[in-house]
Amino acid sequence: NAGVTQTPKFRVLKTGQSMTLLCAQDMNHEYMYWYRQDPGMGLRLIHYSVGEGTTAKGEVPDGYNVSRLKKQNFLLGLESAAPSQTSVYFCASSYVGRDTQYFGPGTRLTVL
Amino acid sequence: GENVEQHPSTLSVQEGDSAVIKCTYSDSASNYFPWYKQELGKRPQLIIDIRSNVGEKKDQRIAVTLNKTAKHFSLHITETQPEDSAVYFCAASLSNDYKLSFGAGTTVTVRA
Repeated sequence: NAGVTQTPKFRVLKTGQSMTLLCAQDMNHEYMYWYRQDPGMGLRLIHYSVGEGTTAKGEVPDGYNVSRLKKQNFLLGLESAAPSQTSVYFCASSYVGRDTQYFGPGTRLTVL
Repeated sequence: GENVEQHPSTLSVQEGDSAVIKCTYSDSASNYFPWYKQELGKRPQLIIDIRSNVGEKKDQRIAVTLNKTAKHFSLHITETQPEDSAVYFCAASLSNDYKLSFGAGTTVTVRA
């Protein structure tokens, strides 16, 4: 089992460019999450999904969109990147809510 | 949503000593409290969790205590070792929610 994987590992964007981050899990988990991690601010939830075809907003959703077309994949999109979106992005998944979340290795994004 | 405060933000201990990290939460309906450890450059990983029907849980050198009346929970690491050096995050989840609210993290350094 690969667990939770994220693509890409690193990316540098210019302001206004768009990109999609891919998260994939092979554990048949229902719940998937996207977080951003900034120094001194812990992990903040961007969007989450409680099953295929469902998505919901988290704590800091502005500027991001998500899709969960397949159970094993959760995509995070930035339509028009801003320097404030420079961060490390983590995807996570869990079998049910209020259960162990398994994190991916992270994507380090820099927006110039 | 839930608000989780974590203290201290940094903690330096001598190898062999104990380390204690405390978190407080705002919503009395929270009932799931996990702790995650993140080593430098790595992904967060669950180390222990507690649910509101128990007051204490132990796993080898790690223990978590929960005080529902005071709305705080703590992580205790005994006989600290160099490999305990990491950032530790507490989190809380409401009983009717699928999301975790994370604290800002505590950087623990174990001095040899």
